Amino acid sequence: AQTVTQSQPEMSVQEAETVTLSCTYDTSESNYYLFWYKQPPSRQMILVIRQEAYKQQNATENRFSVNFQKAAKSFSLKISDSQLGDTAMYFCAWASGGSNYKLTFGKGTLLTVNP
Amino acid sequence: DTAVSQTPKYLVTQMGNDKSIKCEQNLGHDTMYWYKQDSKKFLKIMFSYNNKELIINETVPNRFSPKSPDKAHLNLHINSLELGDSAVYFCASSQAGAWGNEQFFGPGTRLTVL
Repeated sequence: AQTVTQSQPEMSVQEAETVTLSCTYDTSESNYYLFWYKQPPSRQMILVIRQEAYKQQNATENRFSVNFQKAAKSFSLKISDSQLGDTAMYFCAWASGGSNYKLTFGKGTLLTVNP
Repeated sequence: DTAVSQTPKYLVTQMGNDKSIKCEQNLGHDTMYWYKQDSKKFLKIMFSYNNKELIINETVPNRFSPKSPDKAHLNLHINSLELGDSAVYFCASSQAGAWGNEQFFGPGTRLTVL
């Protein structure tokens, strides 16, 4: 079964600094997708960034970028110029490229951005 | 315009009662999901429907019964509520085959069983 591991239950960072959240996963599939979702205190799940496994280029969305290491099965999220509004739970998630339609989530990392 | 909506947002009820949570999406997606987020924030799939057909049922007690009257709606009915059912329930939708079935989530329903 696929598993997603986030080894950092909590992290904190000063405003304007850079922080990296780690995620590793286990799968025997070669075609899959990876996602980072953000859940602020409002509890809404918001997609931050996504990556296709067959693309070597790391995805980037404004201040958010990933370091995707397929061989190591690692998918870390880097947040640059951290803002107070980035304070949230961050979930790493894996989805099969086949017809299994579910997301498998990690346990989450609570990120606090301090002023 | 809300893409995925759920009602109610909060639900407080007594043990043993039966309750329903409704979900609607206006994204034109063909696949809908229910996830449960427990008190430790862990998110786990419960059910998935594709074109109104059940495709995932992840060892959920049969007190939970999803119903999809059409592609835009997926409701969750829970019989004989137990204390352990207290959680946040998220509805989500996706378009099969599009971007690894990238899922769009509703705002969640916080269920509290007393």
